[in-house]
Amino acid sequence: DGGITQSPKYLFRKEGQNVTLSCEQNLNHDAMYWYRQDPGQGLRLIYYSQIVNDFQKGDIAEGYSVSREKKESFPLTVTSAQKNPTAFYLCASSIGTGDDGTEAFFGQGTRLTVV
Amino acid sequence: GQSLEQPSEVTAVEGAIVQINCTYQTSGFYGLSWYQQHDGGAPTFLSYNGLDGLEETGRFSSFLSRSDSYGYLLLQELQMKDSASYFCAVRVGGSYIPTFGRGTSLIVHP
Repeated sequence: DGGITQSPKYLFRKEGQNVTLSCEQNLNHDAMYWYRQDPGQGLRLIYYSQIVNDFQKGDIAEGYSVSREKKESFPLTVTSAQKNPTAFYLCASSIGTGDDGTEAFFGQGTRLTVV
Repeated sequence: GQSLEQPSEVTAVEGAIVQINCTYQTSGFYGLSWYQQHDGGAPTFLSYNGLDGLEETGRFSSFLSRSDSYGYLLLQELQMKDSASYFCAVRVGGSYIPTFGRGTSLIVHP
C-alpha cells in the first residue's frame, strides 16, 4: 500500500545532541513538507520541498535542517541550535500540481522529547 | 502573512449536527481545506473548497464564501468516533503548501 512512513515513532534526545527524523513516501509525490505540532496548537511549517535537490524554509526553520536527495525521502535534522525541540513532528506529501494537488498525506508522526 | 481563526472547542451530542467555523485573512487566497486529527494520530484530509459554495462528502460538508473570507465544516449524524481535532487550512497563491489554523477540538457526548 502507498503511504508515508515516519520513524521512529518516539525519540528521546539529550540536550546538545543533533537527531534526524526519517520520512519516506512511496506515493510518487513531488512535494514534501515538515510540520511541528505543540500541544493545543496547529501545525507550523518547518521546511518544504517541491522537487528533488531543492527545499525552502518555512515559518519556523531556525534550528532545523533538511535534505532532498531522493524523491522518496525527506529527512529532518533537529540540531542543538533548536532551543525548544520537544514536540510532535509530522511529515506530509502532496502531488503538488493540478486539482488533486491540494490534498496532503501525512505520516504517523515522531514524538521527540529532550531529556 | 496569513491568519486563520477557529473556535478552540466545540461540544455536541451523538446524532446531532455541528458546524465548525473558520475565518481567514490572507492575500492571494486560492482555497480552503479541512483536516481531521485524532489524538496522537496523523491528520487526514476531509475536503477542499476552491470555489464558493457547499461541497458534500457523506456526513461531512464544507462551505466557502470568498467575499466573507469565511468557511465552515458541517458534520451531520455525529458519532462518538467524530471526537477529534479539526483544522482548516488555506492554500495561498500558486503554492500547494497548506497553512493551518490552530484547530478545533470536537467532543461528542453520548
